Amino acid sequence: AQSVTQLGSHVSVSEGALVLLRCNYSSSVPPYLFWYVQYPNQGLQLLLKYTSAATLVKGINGFEAEFKKSETSFHLTKPSAHMSDAAEYFCAVSVSGGYNKLIFGAGTRLAVHP
Amino acid sequence: EAQVTQNPRYLITVTGKKLTVTCSQNMNHEYMSWYRQDPGLGLRQIYYSMNVEVTDKGDVPEGYKVSRKEKRNFPLILESPSPNQTSLYFCASSPQGGGQPQHFGDGTRLSIL
Repeated sequence: AQSVTQLGSHVSVSEGALVLLRCNYSSSVPPYLFWYVQYPNQGLQLLLKYTSAATLVKGINGFEAEFKKSETSFHLTKPSAHMSDAAEYFCAVSVSGGYNKLIFGAGTRLAVHP
Repeated sequence: EAQVTQNPRYLITVTGKKLTVTCSQNMNHEYMSWYRQDPGLGLRQIYYSMNVEVTDKGDVPEGYKVSRKEKRNFPLILESPSPNQTSLYFCASSPQGGGQPQHFGDGTRLSIL
């Protein structure tokens, strides 16, 4: 069965600092991996996805994530945090076979301080 | 504009009073799904549908019903709501096929008193 673990329910950084949000997954078959962002009172918006084409995936708003099979990780990074990055971030996994079910991590709330 | 529309956005109701949350998408997607979001648990799938008249249970289906009579609509029905169904609900849709990102509605916050 697939599962996702996000380390750290809350992460706080200063504006301009590196953002690192951790995600580890468990899957018995090659996974598809996603990062979504949720701003207050809004739905989830796709940041980026990994579908085996390239291990380093670039997304919107300057975010990127690297798929590391040996570590079963898909950590999200951004070199320089902006105040507008404050939101909740979810890592999710799905598997191939035409079945689009997403398994989500518990989420990480990112706070950005001036 | 491509979107998933949920209604209502907010609802406060009482135990046992049947309610329906509507979901509509304008992207001609085959796959639709309902999730509930609870603090510390992320999003968990309630029901999903792979096409018209094809629905199946997700991870937390108890107390919920769905139907898929038309491709664009996927309503979530709570026949006899209880306080433990107080949550934030999201509808999502995507094309069929692995690796397709899902498009989410803005959510419906339900409070069952």
